[in-house]
Amino acid sequence: EVQLVESGGGLVQPGGSLRLSCAASGFLFRTYWMTWFRQAPGKGLEWVANIKEDGSEEYYVDSVKGRFTISRDNAKNSLFLQMNSLRAEDTAMYFCARTKGYYEVLAEFWGQGTLVIVSS
Amino acid sequence: DIQMTQSPSTLAASVGDRVTVTCRASQRITNWLAWYQQKPGKAPKLLIYDSSNLGSGVPSRFSGSGSGTEFTLTISSLQPDDFATYYCLQYDVYSPTFGQGTKVEI
Repeated sequence: EVQLVESGGGLVQPGGSLRLSCAASGFLFRTYWMTWFRQAPGKGLEWVANIKEDGSEEYYVDSVKGRFTISRDNAKNSLFLQMNSLRAEDTAMYFCARTKGYYEVLAEFWGQGTLVIVSS
Repeated sequence: DIQMTQSPSTLAASVGDRVTVTCRASQRITNWLAWYQQKPGKAPKLLIYDSSNLGSGVPSRFSGSGSGTEFTLTISSLQPDDFATYYCLQYDVYSPTFGQGTKVEI
């Protein structure tokens, strides 16, 4: 059974940093693209970033470029999102997701999310 | 960026109704379009991908169609478990974008 468990969310002040983690199990982690999505309270879904199977390619939504970094540790079946220079508009539930088969973005399995609140 | 315009934003329906949700893309995206269902406090669930392919374990009352710039999600006979919010996602190019969502309510 595919399982994705996010952690690392919390309350942080504007300008601060957080590192989100996603522990994956139930599938061969190193053979899938992985993605982070987010959803602000009461709002719609937004793609944040994704990373290739071997970590050699990364893509970001414009609003987080230069502030967020996606990474992975295939030996530990883990996905990460380093978030720096956080802003109030980054407040959201952050979901990690595994893509379907060979797709680069199409998310098939999702974690339950970790909540990030950016506020003073 | 490709903008996805989803309609309606809210839809009131009854059990047994046929329900249709539409997504329009600001430019042609061939068939790289997915539909997700999300219930309050839960992660989204993949229903349809590549415009018309049914996701794993998804009931056959769900179907998708369309290509180019206009796409449709149809629920042939609405069931109690289907009251939720539905999102389209285009994954034709970087960066992928979602529609604003359609809430299907009683």
